[in-house]
Amino acid sequence: GIQVEQSPPDLILQEGANSTLRCNFSDSVNNLQWFHQNPWGQLINLFYIPSGTKQNGRLSATTVATERYSLLYISSSQTTDSGVYFCAVEAQSGGGADGLTFGKGTHLIIQP
Amino acid sequence: KAGVTQTPRYLIKTRGQQVTLSCSPISGHRSVSWYQQTPGQGLQFLFEYFSETQRNKGNFPGRFSGRQFSNSRSEMNVSTLELGDSALYLCASLAGYSDTDTQYFGPGTRLTVL
Repeated sequence: GIQVEQSPPDLILQEGANSTLRCNFSDSVNNLQWFHQNPWGQLINLFYIPSGTKQNGRLSATTVATERYSLLYISSSQTTDSGVYFCAVEAQSGGGADGLTFGKGTHLIIQP
Repeated sequence: KAGVTQTPRYLIKTRGQQVTLSCSPISGHRSVSWYQQTPGQGLQFLFEYFSETQRNKGNFPGRFSGRQFSNSRSEMNVSTLELGDSALYLCASLAGYSDTDTQYFGPGTRLTVL
């Protein structure tokens, strides 16, 4: 099946800093989503972005489908941005049969 | 519009018992997917239901089963619980008509098997 690698696995930053999280995937995708998992375990949708660029406030994401990677940018970090960020994809070849395949996540800690 | 709801939020069971978890999708959504999250294996796809039919299935043993009702609410059942079944179980709601749907997740059910 499709492989998803996220980097870095851990990231500690000071409040106000900017960060870039990366997601590499091994096959063509028709679905790519970024999620933030809050301390209670809920996955919060950030972006649906199988290709192109999107922005939402301090967050933006870019997916270069031809090169099989996606980037999540967080600017002017706040302590509430702390948590685990997941990239999840659905392979084109699967025809929707495999559900979302998740990376292992990036654990982000923003220190005041 | 109400979000995805899951019940119960927390559950403690003992080995050998069975458990049933419930998920109500967003109104108008006809597909529900289930995922298991553990520290060792991460987030893994269990199965997906659309219009009361299992459409897709992940690589889990037959002890894990599910169903969907006519109102799109879904239940998943785990029989003969093992310690390794301790996990956060998440369900996702999607419209279900396209394989490019955005998936919206519920708050999860945290299952502990003793």
